[in-house]
This record gives sequence, C-alpha cells and structure tokens, in this order.
Amino acid sequence: KNEVEQSPQNLTAQEGEFITINCSYSVGISALHWLQQHPGGGIVSLFMLSSGKKKHGRLIATINIQEKHSSLHITASHPRDSAVYICAVNQFYFGTGTSLTVIP
Amino acid sequence: DADVTQTPRNRITKTGKRIMLECSQTKGHDRMYWYRQDPGLGLRLIYYSFDVKDINKGEISDGYSVSRQAQAKFSLSLESAIPNQTALYFCATSDPRTSGTYNEQFFGPGTRLTVL
Repeated sequence: KNEVEQSPQNLTAQEGEFITINCSYSVGISALHWLQQHPGGGIVSLFMLSSGKKKHGRLIATINIQEKHSSLHITASHPRDSAVYICAVNQFYFGTGTSLTVIP
Repeated sequence: DADVTQTPRNRITKTGKRIMLECSQTKGHDRMYWYRQDPGLGLRLIYYSFDVKDINKGEISDGYSVSRQAQAKFSLSLESAIPNQTALYFCATSDPRTSGTYNEQFFGPGTRLTVL
C-alpha cells in the first residue's frame, strides 16, 4: 500500500523550463511537506503547507485538500535544481521521490 | 556546526553483529525520528520519540531498537544485523512549539550502513 504517490518518478528538463511534480495522498493530514535531497544525500525542507499555496523564489507549492493532491512547481529551472524531490504527509508517510535533472 | 549530527557517517559490518547509530541535535527539539531509505522505496519510519519518556514504533521497527538518552540524543540499534538492513539511515528532529502545526523537520546528514 502506498499512502503517498508521486509522479513522475524521473524528469529531465532543459534549463529554463517550467517543471511540475505531483503528489497524491490517501491519508488525513495535518501538513504536507516537500523535501529536497541532493546527490550527496542531505535532505532539506522546502515547504510545509496544509492549504492553498506557498512561494519561495522560483519554487511554488500548492495543495488541494479536497482532492488530496499537491504540486511542486519550479519556474525557470536551473541545473542547480537537479535533485530528488520528496513529498511527505505529516512525518510518517513519504513518497518515493522524483529525480529531476536539469540540463544546461 | 550542524544542528543535527549522525555518527558514524559510513559503516560496514558483518551479519550478526550489533550496531549502534547515534544522533545528536542542538536545536532543542523534543521530537526525534529514525528513518531508513532504500532505492525505490523512499523514506520509511523506524521509530520516533516525542520526548525523553516517549518511544513509538514506526512502520518497520522489527529488528531495531532505540534509546532516547536525553532530549538531544536518540540512538538506533541493530541487535543482530542482517544484509537486508543495508540502507541509508536518517535521523530527524522537529518541534511544533517552534513551527506550529506544520512541524517542520530537520534531517541529519545520514549514515550509510552496509551489512555483509
């Protein structure tokens, strides 16, 4: 059983492209988290949200509670955005991640 | 200095050995977690602790035990390591008192464990 599903699993983009990563979940939430994991392995928190939309620089996260769906958008993608992006519900359920590669 | 540290960072051991992974934090957070990460499976929760006297099993606790020695320290033990426990292990902390209902997590750098 997968309480959190992400798509796509892998994504390759040209520098400058607009990127969308999707997350669907089947459990009740207090908060949904988007995490970034770089090739060295370290994990950092990008967003936490329980409703609406949040924006940090070129990154935007949205959530639709009724549809149990969240999206992470990256505008004007850059090679330094290359990483694995992980969706997590509360602290207990994690997606398998989306591996993003941005080509110069 | 890093707020959440893990030791060792890499460990190779043999089947049947007892292994302890240690996590320390300077963030003053009450909540601490242990996860393992396997290719294609994502992060899975092993144990979590909401304060020094509180220990809870996660999704995959079999074969593991933990000790919360102090607010700042949370150790994970493999009593008798087996090859399918080869994985990347992460410790994390959080505290809803400081981040509200969102309960932001802060992760350690990870420990790469190989069981031969």
